[in-house]
Amino acid sequence: LAKTTQPISMDSYEGQEVNITCSHNNIATNDYITWYQQFPSQGPRFIIQGYKTKVTNEVASLFIPADRKSSTLSLPRVSLSDTAVYYCLVGDGAGANNLFFGTGTRLTVIP
Amino acid sequence: DAGITQSPRYKITETGRQVTLMCHQTWSHSYMFWYRQDLGHGLRLIYYSAAADITDKGEVPDGYVVSRSKTENFPLTLESATRSQTSVYFCASSESRVEDTEAFFGQGTRLTVV
Repeated sequence: LAKTTQPISMDSYEGQEVNITCSHNNIATNDYITWYQQFPSQGPRFIIQGYKTKVTNEVASLFIPADRKSSTLSLPRVSLSDTAVYYCLVGDGAGANNLFFGTGTRLTVIP
Repeated sequence: DAGITQSPRYKITETGRQVTLMCHQTWSHSYMFWYRQDLGHGLRLIYYSAAADITDKGEVPDGYVVSRSKTENFPLTLESATRSQTSVYFCASSESRVEDTEAFFGQGTRLTVV
């Protein structure tokens, strides 16, 4: 039961901007979109969260189109330490039991 | 220390045995969650709790039991462990529902059922 769809993997060179897109066609009106980062042998870590348009913090930007059926995580000028798995989290209804993680995108940053 | 801690970090158990994974948070967050992570499946929600004495099933609850007698603790019990429950288990907590509040994850428990 796929709630979100992300690319399985991406490669990028150091210093480049990386954009990871998540599709979530069943997003509900009140649901937020959240992205997490996970390094090997660690729990996921919150990166950014948004509801619509654009959100920016010190590490990333999140772009959400008007229909909210997709979102794009943008990492500016990636470094080797950004190599990780990135998860898109979207709820599809009321109740925490409907909160599904995507399958994740494995980003590899190349020197 | 403030935060969310899981214990043990590693556990090997035999098929059919009961095993309990512990989770403790110091923030007094209302919500707590248990996820399992397997190759090819990402993170899947097992159970969650909205407050003390309130728990509900997630996506993959079969074979697991949870309780929440105190706000800060949320143990996960495998009543009769099976090999299919070999996985990495993550506990998380948040002030509200995960979708509109940052969730904090523990370091995980790697469970192997032999």
